[in-house]
Amino acid sequence: EAQVTQNPRYLITVTGKKLTVTCSQNMNHEYMSWYRQDPGLGLRQIYYSMNVEVTDKGDVPEGYKVSRKEKRNFPLILESPSPNQTSLYFCASSSSTGTRDNTQYFGPGTRLTVL
Amino acid sequence: GDSVTQMEGPVTLSEEAFLTINCTYTATGYPSLFWYVQYPGEGLQLLLKATKADDKGSNKGFEATYRKETTSFHLEKGSVQVSDSAVYFCALRAGGSYIPTFGRGTSLIVHP
Repeated sequence: EAQVTQNPRYLITVTGKKLTVTCSQNMNHEYMSWYRQDPGLGLRQIYYSMNVEVTDKGDVPEGYKVSRKEKRNFPLILESPSPNQTSLYFCASSSSTGTRDNTQYFGPGTRLTVL
Repeated sequence: GDSVTQMEGPVTLSEEAFLTINCTYTATGYPSLFWYVQYPGEGLQLLLKATKADDKGSNKGFEATYRKETTSFHLEKGSVQVSDSAVYFCALRAGGSYIPTFGRGTSLIVHP
């Protein structure tokens, strides 16, 4: 089954404790991205990756890091989480071919709470 | 830059009512247009899309027509069900771009 998986689904942590949210897709997609979803603000892109070893900042990259060492994985790293990073996070992927009409496939989301 | 504007919610309807959720956009060139749906506790999934002017996307009883002259892509359904309660996102993807632009989402609540 084609899917994007994220782990963990729920995480409660404390300020300053480094954490990683994993994302993996099994569709051989080149493009992957991370979003955060906050009430009243919709989806905001954090980082995206066009392919292995190619990443770039989205609209709200401060406080986050990413890496793309393998095509299928795109982890999101919070080196020193703060309460304003409490949010619902989504990973997404899509194929690079026929870019205009390509569908984004989303993971189920990770709800992060930073105390 | 590219942008998508959706009507603010929540939209509250009774079952079997007619639904319209407005979406307008600004973009360079000729973007592809999408509607995504997010059911409670889940990620977004594609509902329908249209890639050129006057195309109509449809799925699960929902429809939207790509109107270039009014830069709009309004979502409609003739008779909503309780199970349609969700958040709906309008999105565009401009030509040559990997990066989609999303609206803020519109929450739909359908009462029995």
